[in-house]
Amino acid sequence: GAVVSQHPSRVICKSGTSVKIECRSLDFQATTMFWYRQFPKQSLMLMATSNEGSKATYEQGVEKDKFLINHASLTLSTLTVTSAHPEDSSFYICSASGSKRLLGNEQFFGPGTRLTVL
Amino acid sequence: GEDVEQSLFLSVREGDSSVINCTYTDSSSTYLYWYKQEPGAGLQLLTYIFSNMDMKQDQRLTVLLNKKDKHLSLRIADTQTGDSAIYFCAETGSSGTYKYIFGTGTRLKVLA
Repeated sequence: GAVVSQHPSRVICKSGTSVKIECRSLDFQATTMFWYRQFPKQSLMLMATSNEGSKATYEQGVEKDKFLINHASLTLSTLTVTSAHPEDSSFYICSASGSKRLLGNEQFFGPGTRLTVL
Repeated sequence: GEDVEQSLFLSVREGDSSVINCTYTDSSSTYLYWYKQEPGAGLQLLTYIFSNMDMKQDQRLTVLLNKKDKHLSLRIADTQTGDSAIYFCAETGSSGTYKYIFGTGTRLKVLA
């Protein structure tokens, strides 16, 4: 199948610091990557969509200066949470879509990153 | 607007069948998906159905699609304790992109 990894799986940081989360497609080229945020016991909320080599498209209400997304290659996208605060604590999940397709447009999900801001 | 609804909780006994329901609003979706999420983990694709199909069976999983009522269901036969998880349905929206619209998620608890 299509494998998507995320690193780190868990991170704890102090308030005010920046945290970078990596999302990699290991065995296919990901032309599009998605970043989601999931609060406890809630559904996934799409934060942004990024296409390789282009600026990310952010969903309404998501601060692009707060959540910096870079998709510089076909296998890597990064999400940087800048000046993190406790309310940014959440489970962040990425997904990728691209050359590996069972169907037309399915997304393959990473295992998620648990961010805790103290 | 696009909205996908699911019941929040379902509890069944081991060995029984589970039926998880989902209603959606975008009739132009080409595919509809069911994902499983275990605690602290990402999403695992369980199965999917094309919008021109009524039913799809894959081992213990049966997906039923009623396009007229915009209703999707996932039946898990012989439910096991390892099936305890959150189940999300998802549709692809009409925007023509790869964006998913996720349901609210159903937490399935299987009692031994």
